[in-house]
Amino acid sequence: EAGVAQSPRYKIIEKRQSVAFWCNPISGHATLYWYQQILGQGPKLLIQFQNNGVVDDSQLPKDRFSAERLKGVDSTLKIQPAKLEDSAVYLCASSRRVGQEEKLFFGSGTQLSVL
Amino acid sequence: DQQVKQNSPSLSVQEGRISILNCDYTNSMFDYFLWYKKYPAEGPTFLISISSIKDKNEDGRFTVFLNKSAKHLSLHIVPSQPGDSAVYFCAASAERTSGTYKYIFGTGTRLKVLA
Repeated sequence: EAGVAQSPRYKIIEKRQSVAFWCNPISGHATLYWYQQILGQGPKLLIQFQNNGVVDDSQLPKDRFSAERLKGVDSTLKIQPAKLEDSAVYLCASSRRVGQEEKLFFGSGTQLSVL
Repeated sequence: DQQVKQNSPSLSVQEGRISILNCDYTNSMFDYFLWYKKYPAEGPTFLISISSIKDKNEDGRFTVFLNKSAKHLSLHIVPSQPGDSAVYFCAASAERTSGTYKYIFGTGTRLKVLA
């Protein structure tokens, strides 16, 4: 089966500019996650969708970050305006729970550099 | 507040020997644990998981041990191979009151297997 698709792979912008990332999850996966991974740290959950509803956005900086998942499939994550500290890899993942078993499948990520 | 900790940022092991990667957690509500492997410029890939009702799970060269009383899990790789050189993340899952699950990742351990 096809994996989680993300684009772009790399993005370089100047601070105060805006940027958007796109994610297409694995077909049939109801749950979609956006994680931020800063160099040397583990992935940090930004937002989690169940179908097209938000179940957790407690760590999303809502003054500058926004995300949507239209029709419960594709998702976009936007940053406006970007700050230097937003430089990170943005990972999209999707999952489907079977009983107590659930694996997150990650895309390759988008590496963002804010100059 | 780091709920999932990997206190060893790096580990070097000789090819053919055992690699042991450790992970500690603080939240007793975590009931499902996963290990992911990450190569440079790629997203994390699932390796092995364990439910809190078990204390051991094995898959080929990989074994995960869970000690609930100590809130500690470990990943054993035997025998270690050069291709195992990567960053390894442990993740822990707990159910939210909404019935959805949250996954929290550790900071990672970089494993280098020496030929």
